[in-house]
Amino acid sequence: DQQVKQNSPSLSVQEGRISILNCDYTNSMFDYFLWYKKYPAEGPTFLISISSIKDKNEDGRFTVFLNKSAKHLSLHIVPSQPGDSAVYFCAASANGVGTYKYIFGTGTRLKVLA
Amino acid sequence: GAGVSQSPRYKVAKRGQDVALRCDPISGHVSLFWYQQALGQGPEFLTYFQNEAQLDKSGLPSDRFFAERPEGSVSTLKIQRTQQEDSAVYLCASSLDASGVLGETQYFGPGTRLLVL
Repeated sequence: DQQVKQNSPSLSVQEGRISILNCDYTNSMFDYFLWYKKYPAEGPTFLISISSIKDKNEDGRFTVFLNKSAKHLSLHIVPSQPGDSAVYFCAASANGVGTYKYIFGTGTRLKVLA
Repeated sequence: GAGVSQSPRYKVAKRGQDVALRCDPISGHVSLFWYQQALGQGPEFLTYFQNEAQLDKSGLPSDRFFAERPEGSVSTLKIQRTQQEDSAVYLCASSLDASGVLGETQYFGPGTRLLVL
């Protein structure tokens, strides 16, 4: 039972354009969501997060949108840069019920073309 | 400051051998997590410590897996009688606290890549 789904295994975007990565979840108890970026042979690096009391969080070129009714979140990167090429994982947790573990999606490989 | 460190970075074991993987969390971080990441998958939760207390070990796949954090800092994940299906990247993460605060970010180490032959 995949509680967090990233249905696009890969995405290619031209440099300077917008990258949109999507994530869907099924567990309505999730109240904290994060995006991590992962380069080969490295651990996941925290990118941006959002709690369920918000619908948008922005940090520089990165914006995360949360649509609770649709159980959907997305990461927007604008403008995309070649250094953004990596695997992006979304993760969710249900802190409010004392379950602090993260549930991860399977990742989306982003390739930004110069 | 220093991030989460893990050692060894790579480990090759013969089937049946025992292995021990070490995690040094960020100084002062109360919570520590272990995850297992198979090829092409996202990390999957194994176990969680708050200080020295192991509060959740629901993700450990079998009783061959054992984790400890005796002094509330460094943690060791031990796998006994390794099997080929144990081959994966083992990730450690720490967070400042997870005692009910809404949204505590976990910071990950580089992982230990385990290959069981």
